Amino acid sequence: VQLVQSGGEVKKPGASVRVSCRTSGYSFDSYGITWVRQAPGQGLEWMGWSTYNGQTNTAQRFLGRLTMTTDTSSSTAHMDLKSLTSADTAVYYCARVNVYLDTEDVISVADIWGQGSLVTVSS
Amino acid sequence: DIQMTQSPSSLSASIGDTVTITCRASQGIREALGWYQQQPGKAPRRLIYSASSLQSGAPVRFRGIGSGTEFTLIINNLQPEDLATYYCLQYRSYPWTFGQGTRLEIK
Repeated sequence: VQLVQSGGEVKKPGASVRVSCRTSGYSFDSYGITWVRQAPGQGLEWMGWSTYNGQTNTAQRFLGRLTMTTDTSSSTAHMDLKSLTSADTAVYYCARVNVYLDTEDVISVADIWGQGSLVTVSS
Repeated sequence: DIQMTQSPSSLSASIGDTVTITCRASQGIREALGWYQQQPGKAPRRLIYSASSLQSGAPVRFRGIGSGTEFTLIINNLQPEDLATYYCLQYRSYPWTFGQGTRLEIK
């Protein structure tokens, strides 16, 4: 089981960024992907999750700025964050998650992680 | 939001020691808690899920206990590779929230 993320990005304030998470070694449509970020020298912050069928749960502070999608044909999840500011400079991680789609209750959280993608926002 | 308060924020211990890290939830979360280890420069790694279940492949010297609002990660027979920051994560209710982390140094 592996999650391999796209490379680092440098963006200007106001721009958007996409981070991709390619999965392998398991059935993509049996799990979802959650996103967690870590600002330099700081702790971990949960952002949200998405499942193979397009269902999502987004942390309120990211509503309107964060879009999470999945591509079942390539077993890849994508995270798009727009209207970037310097406060969005962080390492972004994807991790595998399993939830009941009807209740959104958790079965398993973040057992496998990607290697992280550094997003730097700077003018 | 459920606040997760971890203590201590840092500690230093010797090889072979037993170390205890605590997480307190601002409201009851049953056993919906995981413990994660983040070694320097690496992605986090799950050690414990459902408060006390050991992740497959994690060393048996890691043990999790607790339910409700009080949780503890115990590391027995501390090893050099245990140098890391440890986080708890509650997933009982949204938004999922992490503790602020405990930095473990090896004397």
